[in-house]
Amino acid sequence: DAGVTQSPTHLIKTRGQQVTLRCSPKSGHDTVSWYQQALGQGPQFIFQYYEEEERQRGNFPDRFSGHQFPNYSSELNVNALLLGDSALYLCASSPGRGAGYTFGSGTRLTVV
Amino acid sequence: GIQVEQSPPDLILQEGANSTLRCNFSDSVNNLQWFHQNPWGQLINLFYIPSGTKQNGRLSATTVATERYSSLYISSSQTTDSGVYFCAVENTGGFKTIFGAGTRLFVKA
Repeated sequence: DAGVTQSPTHLIKTRGQQVTLRCSPKSGHDTVSWYQQALGQGPQFIFQYYEEEERQRGNFPDRFSGHQFPNYSSELNVNALLLGDSALYLCASSPGRGAGYTFGSGTRLTVV
Repeated sequence: GIQVEQSPPDLILQEGANSTLRCNFSDSVNNLQWFHQNPWGQLINLFYIPSGTKQNGRLSATTVATERYSSLYISSSQTTDSGVYFCAVENTGGFKTIFGAGTRLFVKA
């Protein structure tokens, strides 16, 4: 049983570019959340998707957007990249409210 | 929003020692999880524990929701226990998970 799968594992982008990160949830999970983890800090909640809709959003600018597909997989898009967007981006999935989250291995994004 | 505080921020142990990590949160929560992040960044779920006590091998966790805290107890620590331990809570009435800043544990051989 595959867990949460994220791609790519590493990515280097230039300031001003756009990036798309991908996540496949664990089998049986329908809820996907995205997090940004800067070096030495705890993960920060970006947003959560359920039934193809953004259900809740954290304190991130509109440059961060997402999508959830009918098969529950999800994408995180970041436009107009800044140096400060360099971080580990984590995806987590859950089978529903009141259940725990399973995390993927993350995508390490470096903006130069 | 909910504040999550973890203590201690850093901990160095000799192999075989025991330790207790603490997580305090400022408001009622729907759920609480403890994670271990390994040096490669992978977050491993240790416990889903909105209340009560659970044990898994050398690890155990207790959450007292009415007093807004949770503790993670590590017994007979091993070098492989090194890493960062995070407490994460989900706010009631919402779907946002808030992480503490973590406890960085180093176990010496």
